[in-house]
Amino acid sequence: QQQVKQSPQSLIVQKGGISIINCAYENTAFDYFPWYQQFPGKGPALLIAIRPDVSEKKEGRFTISFNKSAKQFSLHIMDSQPGDSATYFCAASMVDKLIFGTGTRLQVFP
Amino acid sequence: NAGVTQTPKFQVLKTGQSMTLQCAQDMNHNSMYWYRQDPGMGLRLIYYSASEGTTDKGEVPNGYNVSRLNKREFSLRLESAAPSQTSVYFCASSLEGVNYGYTFGSGTRLTVV
Repeated sequence: QQQVKQSPQSLIVQKGGISIINCAYENTAFDYFPWYQQFPGKGPALLIAIRPDVSEKKEGRFTISFNKSAKQFSLHIMDSQPGDSATYFCAASMVDKLIFGTGTRLQVFP
Repeated sequence: NAGVTQTPKFQVLKTGQSMTLQCAQDMNHNSMYWYRQDPGMGLRLIYYSASEGTTDKGEVPNGYNVSRLNKREFSLRLESAAPSQTSVYFCASSLEGVNYGYTFGSGTRLTVV
């Protein structure tokens, strides 16, 4: 019940395309859903986050879609750029700690 | 601002050796965390400290100990290293729990041979 399942494991997208990463959870006590972006050799950095009372949040080219009834949420990267090539982690929080998904390695080719 | 500083950046240990990973933050954050990152496993929580003077186990605490030395510093100790502890270790901090987002350090790459 503590798990956050993330897919796909890897994703290859052409420049200008849409990248979509999906996550699913079981525990309805989770109340905060952030996405983190990690470049090689660096620590993860907070990208965007959403709470379950909102169905969508957009920041620039990055959008989180949240489906509370399906217990799923996804990250959409519009107009994907080579600079977006990184590993993306979804996460969910309960009380005072984050549970992370297993990560998606995104490669955007020119 | 340095943010979250981890030392060392790289370390090779022999099986059975001990070592302490250091973490310090200069953002006056209350909560600190230790995660390990392994291929295909994502980030798994080892221990965390919600506030100065408290520590709690995460998902994978076996083989580790922690010390919240003061508000700034949170160390992770491996008493008797095992090859299964080969990993990249990340320290993170947050102002007041998860809802303020985490700031991560740049990691310590540990190899146990």
